Amino acid sequence: GAGVSQSPRYKVAKRGQDVALRCDPISGHVSLFWYQQALGQGPEFLTYFQNEAQLDKSGLPSDRFFAERPEGSVSTLKIQRTQQEDSAVYLCASSFLLPSLAGAPLEQYFGPGTRLTVT
Amino acid sequence: ELKVEQNPLFLSMQEGKNYTIYCNYSTTSDRLYWYRQDPGKSLESLFVLLSNGAVKQEGRLMASLDTKARLSTLHITAAVHDLSATYFCAVLGGGSQGNLIFGKGTKLSVKP
Repeated sequence: GAGVSQSPRYKVAKRGQDVALRCDPISGHVSLFWYQQALGQGPEFLTYFQNEAQLDKSGLPSDRFFAERPEGSVSTLKIQRTQQEDSAVYLCASSFLLPSLAGAPLEQYFGPGTRLTVT
Repeated sequence: ELKVEQNPLFLSMQEGKNYTIYCNYSTTSDRLYWYRQDPGKSLESLFVLLSNGAVKQEGRLMASLDTKARLSTLHITAAVHDLSATYFCAVLGGGSQGNLIFGKGTKLSVKP
């Protein structure tokens, strides 16, 4: 079956440009997460959606980062006025269950990521 | 602040040998995850450990969890080249949002 898909897979942006990264979660998955993975590091949490509601955006590094999921399925991560330090792989993950469900494995399924390079 | 530490960060081993990767975390967490990542690829879920003493095995990999010690181990038995990858452990972050807190990863290279 279809997994989490992301587009584009690679994006090169000049410093100061705006970019938009798309995530298509697995159909029916309630929870959607965005992570940022710098080279040689583990993924770091950016933001979380439960259906269309953005319940946590504590990981967004600055107000240049904005995420939305207007209909509770596809999500877009937008970065305005990109800087070199924004260069990273942006991973999207989705999960069927709500995180508060005690004892559930709460597996997150990751997409292939978008590698953003800011020159 | 919840922190996850893995060691070693780099591991070069010969085929056929055994080794263990360690994952320590700083505060109580409900769940412990192990993921595999090949170069340029996304994260593949290996194990989810839910309770103290949990042990799961898949092929040459075995993961265990000691919640009292806040320690998980990923044991590799008789390594083969196909296991070369970066392995991450992660724990469930605090609060209700369910985000994962990852370690820095262990880059494993298995040489013939």
